[in-house]
Amino acid sequence: TQLLEQSPQFLSIQEGENLTVYCNSSSVFSSLQWYRQEPGEGPVLLVTVVTGGEVKKLKRLTFQFGDARKDSSLHITAAQTGDTGLYLCAGGAGGTSYGKLTFGQGTILTVHP
Amino acid sequence: GAGVSQSPRYKVAKRGQDVALRCDPISGHVSLFWYQQALGQGPEFLTYFQNEAQLDKSGLPSDRFFAERPEGSVSTLKIQRTQQEDSAVYLCASSLAELALETQYFGPGTRLLVL
Repeated sequence: TQLLEQSPQFLSIQEGENLTVYCNSSSVFSSLQWYRQEPGEGPVLLVTVVTGGEVKKLKRLTFQFGDARKDSSLHITAAQTGDTGLYLCAGGAGGTSYGKLTFGQGTILTVHP
Repeated sequence: GAGVSQSPRYKVAKRGQDVALRCDPISGHVSLFWYQQALGQGPEFLTYFQNEAQLDKSGLPSDRFFAERPEGSVSTLKIQRTQQEDSAVYLCASSLAELALETQYFGPGTRLLVL
């Protein structure tokens, strides 16, 4: 069974601070995705990384896939109150052709004004 | 265009009751997934459909859980003889093709509370 461990589970910061969320596993994933989920809504895809060592930037968000494709990180620069939400990492299982995802337990981010 | 819709949005059931949760995927999407999200946790995979074929049901917790997609569009997740541990948000997601990296679009979920 492939597992993804996210840390920290909770993060409470002031607007303007930087933060990093980690997603780790002992298993290799074919791809790693990051989602953001608002209360009462489903997760929304932020980014997909597929190559070991890959770095993708989305405005103030930087995503990195580990060289061995077992871990990933999400870094947010100068956090804003609108960044508040649940952040989920999800790994795509190798060996399946249809995109079955294994999710981490999530990081609840609260950005205070 | 319309996204993935789910109904009902909230369901309260007494222990032992049967419930049916509906998912309307984005029109034309081949793949459909069901996930279960317990409070404070990430979603967990339940089952996968490619058109009307259920290709993976490895995540269904017990034989009380049953899913169908008879015409390759709308899907229903049925839970028989509900138990308190079935309380969770049930998420449906669809994607255009059956490819591994195809983006999954999630519905808002059905929040099930079993008393």
